[in-house]
Amino acid sequence: DSGVTQTPKHLITATGQRVTLRCSPRSGDLSVYWYQQSLDQGLQFLIQYYNGEERAKGNILERFSAQQFPDLHSELNLSSLELGDSALYFCASSIRGQVFNEQYFGPGTRLTVT
Amino acid sequence: AQKVTQAQTEISVVEKEDVTLDCVYETRDTTYYLFWYKQPPSGELVFLIRRNSFDEQNEISGRYSWNFQKSTSSFNFTITASQVVDSAVYFCALSEDLTGNQFYFGTGTSLTVIP
Repeated sequence: DSGVTQTPKHLITATGQRVTLRCSPRSGDLSVYWYQQSLDQGLQFLIQYYNGEERAKGNILERFSAQQFPDLHSELNLSSLELGDSALYFCASSIRGQVFNEQYFGPGTRLTVT
Repeated sequence: AQKVTQAQTEISVVEKEDVTLDCVYETRDTTYYLFWYKQPPSGELVFLIRRNSFDEQNEISGRYSWNFQKSTSSFNFTITASQVVDSAVYFCALSEDLTGNQFYFGTGTSLTVIP
């Protein structure tokens, strides 16, 4: 158990809908990362937050947004969902803001768009 | 062109054998970062290592070792005396900067260790 929690574990929704994925980092970690793993695109880095501020941005679609709250949990919002958004979404956390240093991953949220 | 190539899609070894997972990357930058991640059958990702381009020293961590060779643009990963628990998909990745928008994963190598 990495100490990173993600909810929900599974999510099934329809095209055009909006969902919110939630991540709680390990105690003491200030950075949160989001990744997407899909059959079509493979693994992709989406975005990183450090202590509430965006620190790094990857292949995150404009339909997606994220934020990190004062209590350091993070949410990834996915809107106008398309079939291709079906994927496993991972959250990771690390103690420092240094981009891509040692990260601890959560179990992922599996999103199915029908 | 692929930024990160993991040519070995699947590898099977017998327990206690050594195995090397290849990773070849492509970049014109002089400063970049290389990574390995593990994804066991349970599905969770595990961060294994980050290496920057200025540090060509090989790294060893227990049964794991990494061989970084700039001359061949490779960052290979060796597991010594493999164990069944090493069975997983292993991903190599490259980041050309720390903004995040030039971060590339390889397609992964699926390793099966046969008892």
